[in-house]
Amino acid sequence: GAGVSQSPSNKVTEKGKDVELRCDPISGHTALYWYRQRLGQGLEFLIYFQGNSAPDKSGLPSDRFSAERTGESVSTLTIQRTQQEDSAVYLCASSSGVRFSLGTQYFGPGTRLTVL
Amino acid sequence: KNEVEQSPQNLTAQEGEFITINCSYSVGISALHWLQQHPGGGIVSLFMLSSGKKKHGRLIATINIQEKHSSLHITASHPRDSAVYICAVRSRDDKIIFGKGTRLHILP
Repeated sequence: GAGVSQSPSNKVTEKGKDVELRCDPISGHTALYWYRQRLGQGLEFLIYFQGNSAPDKSGLPSDRFSAERTGESVSTLTIQRTQQEDSAVYLCASSSGVRFSLGTQYFGPGTRLTVL
Repeated sequence: KNEVEQSPQNLTAQEGEFITINCSYSVGISALHWLQQHPGGGIVSLFMLSSGKKKHGRLIATINIQEKHSSLHITASHPRDSAVYICAVRSRDDKIIFGKGTRLHILP
């Protein structure tokens, strides 16, 4: 079966523009996570969706960041008015396991975002 | 100071060498994970530990809860082991905190 897919794989944008990143989770996975990996830094948790529950947005770094997920399907991460500090690889993971159980998360290949 | 520190940051070794990667953390945890990230970004989970030691093939992971320290060992290392190895902890207040990773390069 297909794994987690993300699109685009690379995105170059100009400072101030909005970008939208997409994640297609594994079918049937109720949990979906977004992470950010900046150059030379560890992964950072951004947001967690679990089924139809209210998402855990505690990791979003500013109100320029938002994410949506309809049911157990596709998720989009939107960054408004991008800044150079937003340049990073954005990773999505889906899971059928309990919250933050990394052992049950399947990661996508990531979207590399470069803000010029 | 980061809550999860890994050492070394970079490690180059010859094929066949015994490899040790260390992870120290400063928060109370419910679990510690070791992850492997290959070029291109794909991340896979290697181990989840809450105590003691686990072994899978040539990989061994240990954790000392009292010392807040974990190690990942690779025996008989091979070039295909070249990757970034990431330590992550799940804190008692239900946060997930990642180390910066150790970049391992095994030379043939």
